[in-house]
Amino acid sequence: DVKVTQSSRYLVKRTGEKVFLECVQDMDHENMFWYRQDPGLGLRLIYFSYDVKMKEKGDIPEGYSVSREKKERFSLILESASTNQTSMYLCASREMYSNQPQHFGDGTRLSIL
Amino acid sequence: AQSVTQLGSHVSVSEGALVLLRCNYSSSVPPYLFWYVQYPNQGLQLLLKYTSAATLVKGINGFEAEFKKSETSFHLTKPSAHMSDAAEYFCAVTSKTSYDKVIFGPGTSLSVIP
Repeated sequence: DVKVTQSSRYLVKRTGEKVFLECVQDMDHENMFWYRQDPGLGLRLIYFSYDVKMKEKGDIPEGYSVSREKKERFSLILESASTNQTSMYLCASREMYSNQPQHFGDGTRLSIL
Repeated sequence: AQSVTQLGSHVSVSEGALVLLRCNYSSSVPPYLFWYVQYPNQGLQLLLKYTSAATLVKGINGFEAEFKKSETSFHLTKPSAHMSDAAEYFCAVTSKTSYDKVIFGPGTSLSVIP
């Protein structure tokens, strides 16, 4: 069974800190995704990656960066955290060239104080 | 470009009643369609998927959905609601193109009244 693991379920950080959210998948999927989820706004794509060291901006990349040094790991970085980045963050993975669905982690609820 | 709309951000049904959650999509290429469920403080879990085989798709927990190309719809149904069905439901669309993004609808929150 596909497993997508996010390093933290809950995280509290302070304004201005550099924040790392980690995601690991165990199914050798090419595609990995970072979303944020806010009430009334659904899922919004921040970044996605289709291969190691490859990345594409999603709909709301401002204030975020990503890193994919290994195929199984996709990191989301908040360069200088701000209170408006308080949200639920979801990581997902998926095979490329495929009709298969995304597989999601359990999410990280991030609070920026 | 692809898009998804879900009519009704909140739906309430009585326990034992029919569940109907609506999803309409827009896609210029043959779509792959998915329904996901999200329980509080959890990630999304796949309920079912349409990938151009049978138009009536059965999923987990008694849910099913019918792909209707002429109506560009993929509505989710369950004959009899259970209290444990209370959750957020998301419809999503993608296609066969390379490393394509998955487009999610805004979600429908389902409440089940005892």
